[in-house]
Parts: sequence; C-alpha cells; structure tokens
Amino acid sequence: GENVEQHPSTLSVQEGDSAVIKCTYSDSASNYFPWYKQELGKGPQLIIDIRSNVGEKKDQRIAVTLNKTAKHFSLHITETQPEDSAVYFCAAVPSGGGADGLTFGKGTHLIIQP
Amino acid sequence: EADIYQTPRYLVIGTGKKITLECSQTMGHDKMYWYQQDPGMELHLIHYSYGVNSTEKGDLSSESTVSRIRTEHFPLTLESARPSHTSQYLCASSEAGTGRNEKLFFGSGTQLSVL
Repeated sequence: GENVEQHPSTLSVQEGDSAVIKCTYSDSASNYFPWYKQELGKGPQLIIDIRSNVGEKKDQRIAVTLNKTAKHFSLHITETQPEDSAVYFCAAVPSGGGADGLTFGKGTHLIIQP
Repeated sequence: EADIYQTPRYLVIGTGKKITLECSQTMGHDKMYWYQQDPGMELHLIHYSYGVNSTEKGDLSSESTVSRIRTEHFPLTLESARPSHTSQYLCASSEAGTGRNEKLFFGSGTQLSVL
C-alpha cells in the first residue's frame, strides 16, 4: 500500500518568512495530493491540492509543487502570518483508489514567531 | 463551510463505561470515516463506511464499533472504555464517486479521556 513520509515534524519560522514542508510517497500510481491544515481545537481542512498531471499549483500565498519522477511534493507558504500557525498534513491517493482513500503523512507543526 | 458535527467536544469518563460518540453530516455524503488522532498528531483511520448499512475497519485496529443506519449519522461506540482509549476522535465525510479526488470534510473532534 501507499506510504507517505512528511518532514519536518516541527517548523518554526519568523513572521514574514517562507515555510516549506516536504512529503514523499511510495506508490508511483498515486495521482492526487491534497494538503490539510488543522488549527487548534478544530478538524483538518483542505487548503490546496494537486493532481499528477500538473507540476505546480498556487493559491495566493500558498503553493504546492509535485515531482512525479522523484515521488515527492511540497507545500510552500510565503509571507507567513500568525494565522498560518497550525498542523499541516500532506496526503496521497493511489489511482486504484483503495477503499479507504487518503494516506496521510504524520503532520508538521508550523510555528510562526512574531 | 463544512456541515459535519461531532458531540460531545470533550468527554471524561471512568474505566468500564459504555460510550457513544456522535457524528452527523448534512451534506448528503455517502462516505464517512472515523480517525483517531494521537498526541503526536498522526491520523489513524479506524472505521469507514461507503453508505447505509456499510461499515469497514480501517488501518488501525480498534475495539470500537460503528453503525450506519442513516446516511447522515455515523456513531462510534466503545462498549467498555479503558485508559488506552484516551485520544482525539475525528469524524469525516466525503462524496462517493468514481473519481479518487475525494475532499474530506472533518468535524471538530471529540477529546475522550478515560480515567
């Protein structure tokens, strides 16, 4: 089955700087890669996703890049703000689906220092 | 905004008690899930359902059980709670379909503490 590795587990950056979270996956048949943000006391929420036929996708200050050859994808947050502090999860979905859908990474705790 | 609700938000109970965690969604989604989230943040799938009368076990073995009698309702039950069941429980739903690009909508979770 699919295995998703996520790094780092904790990331601390100064407000206004950029943050990058990286994930690798094992199943070359995976074709959908969403990112979820979990704020304190809430459930995860989808913030951006990318499909395997696209190398990069951007939405305001966040972007995701995908390298299918290397089987890794990354989340980039620019001009970080205090409200970006949260836990971020990457995930992968194999093209065959799998009954249970997503395989999540273990999460990255992003801390924005004022 | 997601319309998926979990109750209670917090629950503290004694060992041996039977508990039910409630999860309801108003989006008409066929697929529903229960995740257990450990203090290290990792999400573990413990149960899922394709629709009414469908229930399946997830990746992580769990002593809990689930039922799906109505589309909108997916409760999780522990017959005899133990301290090892202390955790955050997250319910989620998604549209069923032929595509695999399934956006999950999560509830806010139930923090369970078993003394």
